[in-house]
Amino acid sequence: KNEVEQSPQNLTAQEGEFITINCSYSVGISALHWLQQHPGGGIVSLFMLSSGKKKHGRLIATINIQEKHSSLHITASHPRDSAVYICAVYSGGGADGLTFGKGTHLIIQP
Amino acid sequence: DAGVIQSPRHEVTEMGQEVTLRCKPISGHDYLFWYRQTMMRGLELLIYFNNNVPIDDSGMPEDRFSAKMPNASFSTLKIQPSEPRDSAVYFCASSWTGGYGYTFGSGTRLTVV
Repeated sequence: KNEVEQSPQNLTAQEGEFITINCSYSVGISALHWLQQHPGGGIVSLFMLSSGKKKHGRLIATINIQEKHSSLHITASHPRDSAVYICAVYSGGGADGLTFGKGTHLIIQP
Repeated sequence: DAGVIQSPRHEVTEMGQEVTLRCKPISGHDYLFWYRQTMMRGLELLIYFNNNVPIDDSGMPEDRFSAKMPNASFSTLKIQPSEPRDSAVYFCASSWTGGYGYTFGSGTRLTVV
């Protein structure tokens, strides 16, 4: 079973700061997802990565397959970015669903 | 497409009652997953279907839980009888080819009192 570790668990930053959230996993994967969950809200898929880097607006996600590590970056952070960010991996070979990290609770203060 | 649709959004029920959660996956997606989210354990896979067939239900906590997918556009998760420890948010998600193209529903917040 894949073990997914996220860091930090909690992060409070000031508006405008550059944010980095890290995710490490123990077993090789087919795909990695970064998910966003607002308080009391549903889960939104931000990115799906198999290799390299993806960018969407102020969000950037990178993955290093050899090191079994991914990062989610937020540039020019804003209070509306406050949410829980969850890393989830898909190991393939049977579609056994996603294995989730515990999430990073991000608060951006104005 | 309206996305993955779950109902109800909120459910409050008394211990011992039967609870049925519903999910409509995205048209064309051939995988459907039921997840449960709690503060203590985070997100956990309960069961998933491929082409309407249950593939792995090892995450279903007890015999009180059952899930069905009678056709490609509808699935239910039933708890009978419900207990306070079942209180959680239950998410349905669908995808094509397993772990790719994942979409989550808005979740059902279940409270058992």
